[in-house]
Amino acid sequence: AQSVAQPEDQVNVAEGNPLTVKCTYSVSGNPYLFWYVQYPNRGLQFLLKYITGDNLVKGSYGFEAEFNKSQTSFHLKKPSALVSDSALYFCAVRARGSYIPTFGRGTSLIVHP
Amino acid sequence: DGGITQSPKYLFRKEGQNVTLSCEQNLNHDAMYWYRQDPGQGLRLIYYSQIVNDFQKGDIAEGYSVSREKKESFPLTVTSSQKNPTAFYLCASSMGAPSNQPQHFGDGTRLSIL
Repeated sequence: AQSVAQPEDQVNVAEGNPLTVKCTYSVSGNPYLFWYVQYPNRGLQFLLKYITGDNLVKGSYGFEAEFNKSQTSFHLKKPSALVSDSALYFCAVRARGSYIPTFGRGTSLIVHP
Repeated sequence: DGGITQSPKYLFRKEGQNVTLSCEQNLNHDAMYWYRQDPGQGLRLIYYSQIVNDFQKGDIAEGYSVSREKKESFPLTVTSSQKNPTAFYLCASSMGAPSNQPQHFGDGTRLSIL
């Protein structure tokens, strides 16, 4: 079985400050890991993925994520937050060979001006 | 532009009524999915299809039905036996044979009970 935990329902950060949205996972074997963003009344948009190789993955809109195998974590980060980054963020894991990803419950990111 | 189109954006269901949500993709993806999203619960898988004329139940299939007669289309019917249908429904697609590519999502249909 595979699972994802996003331990924070909400993250608050001031504009210009660095942000981190946490994600830990459980899966058999080496995982595929994904981050998506959702704006109100919209579908999920892909941000970045980890497949293999470099543990620091860079994605869209200045976001990056760090894969840590020993801690089974894949935290999303951005050096300087924008008010427009305020949205719902989902982490997802998929076992290699599976069609079905498992999503976390989502973390609401609020960036204050 | 390639993408996934869900319609309608808003839908209202009366007591005892079946309603069908449309999902069409022009990405040439083999796999398609339906998710239900409720506040604070993330995404829950209703049904998925790996290929035309084949589909499997997800975690919460009861009260729902699907068909996959064409590669581009994966409609979801919310039947009258689904007692709590109010939710945001998302359709997604991905490349076939399990790959490392992400899912693509439509912009959802919000279903409410009249």
